[in-house]
Amino acid sequence: DTAVSQTPKYLVTQMGNDKSIKCEQNLGHDTMYWYKQDSKKFLKIMFSYNNKELIINETVPNRFSPKSPDKAHLNLHINSLELGDSAVYFCASSHGRAGLEQYFGPGTRLTVT
Amino acid sequence: QKEVEQNSGPLSVPEGAIASLNCTYSDRGSQSFFWYRQYSGKSPELIMFIYSNGDKEDGRFTAQLNKASQYVSLLIRDSQPSDSATYLCAVKPGNTGKLIFGQGTTLQVKP
Repeated sequence: DTAVSQTPKYLVTQMGNDKSIKCEQNLGHDTMYWYKQDSKKFLKIMFSYNNKELIINETVPNRFSPKSPDKAHLNLHINSLELGDSAVYFCASSHGRAGLEQYFGPGTRLTVT
Repeated sequence: QKEVEQNSGPLSVPEGAIASLNCTYSDRGSQSFFWYRQYSGKSPELIMFIYSNGDKEDGRFTAQLNKASQYVSLLIRDSQPSDSATYLCAVKPGNTGKLIFGQGTTLQVKP
């Protein structure tokens, strides 16, 4: 019944590794987002896709690459992980690109050692 | 100046009181304003959004918007211990779903 799900819930890895986080929503929404919440709880948008089209691409390092195989899935791949990438990454979805009601997934806590 | 500013708190109120959470924003072109609640270790949940000047009520929650003063607030009536959480104010400056969040205000409701 989970509306927006993310895997894995926790991810611990070493600097320099490459990792992926997956997100799926079963709400029938056509727009999905990736947010990063840092250790100070500051939540910042990274990317958004509408029907597999990238519509929001904030200033994030090129090491971060989102991919949306279909409108129900949005993945985030991170290359050459750095200590500063440690954070909680939230996926969200909404109906329509205006994004008035965004539903967040449970988050993935990434720890880079 | 931060785009969206909130007092980080904690704001402590007794059970049954009115909690008042405030937020200011810098972009006068902002169109929609949101309040999210985030319990510790959980994801943000949308409480309500507002886009017209004035008040909008939903149960015990009232959002207030004053675009001239670039100010939005959230009032929680009859506060309950279960309302203890971090409240995030967010602003949507354009016609995409880009939300700009404040740093959040931690609310503690004491029994």
